[in-house]
Amino acid sequence: QVQLQESGPGLVKPSQTLSLTCTVSGGSISSGSYYWSWIRQPAGKGLEWIGRIYTSGSTNYNPSLKSRVTISVDTSKNQFSLKLSSVTAADTAVYYCARATSTIFGGDWFDPWGQGTLVTVSS
Amino acid sequence: DIQMTQSPSSLSASVGDRVTITCRASQSISSYLNWYQQKPGKAPKLLIYAASSLQSGVPSRFSGSGSGTDFTLTISSLQPEDFATYYCQQSYSTLITFGPGTKVDIK
Repeated sequence: QVQLQESGPGLVKPSQTLSLTCTVSGGSISSGSYYWSWIRQPAGKGLEWIGRIYTSGSTNYNPSLKSRVTISVDTSKNQFSLKLSSVTAADTAVYYCARATSTIFGGDWFDPWGQGTLVTVSS
Repeated sequence: DIQMTQSPSSLSASVGDRVTITCRASQSISSYLNWYQQKPGKAPKLLIYAASSLQSGVPSRFSGSGSGTDFTLTISSLQPEDFATYYCQQSYSTLITFGPGTKVDIK
């Protein structure tokens, strides 16, 4: 079955750019009616959707982060990536990548998810 | 933005109890509502999609209902492995949002 794995630095300095990659295994990132998302969760808090990318390259971002976020896809490597610029301590969180199934009858849901990776913003 | 609220924010229950969690949307979202279970240190796990469809592999004691603005997640007989935090999520709007979560712990 499809599995997702996040990778990237666990520590980023304030004002720098956070960069994470999600590697998809067990299936092609280009197959099926799916898109790919990043979601984050600060310690002890709830889930915040960051954005999505279709394998066509089309993207949507959370307006609260839109000016700082870029999500890209590399179908040849079966990966998609997140870049978040000008980070502050408020961006410290566990970052998850997830596959979304998109339907007309019932909307979109996330499954599976990566295990998550903690990114701390600190000098 | 579509705001999602959940009630209660936490509850204590015993093994075997019937548990109901409510999720409310700030506007109608049809049936575009999903439920997830999250245990400490783990990624969320999809339980219910499209308001009432049980995800493959999820025990049948979990069920979902509702449409429009009001939704419920029911656990018919709480098991030890069900102690966790539960989140609802809407995808009616382009901006996907989650509820704040309901923590279910042991009485």
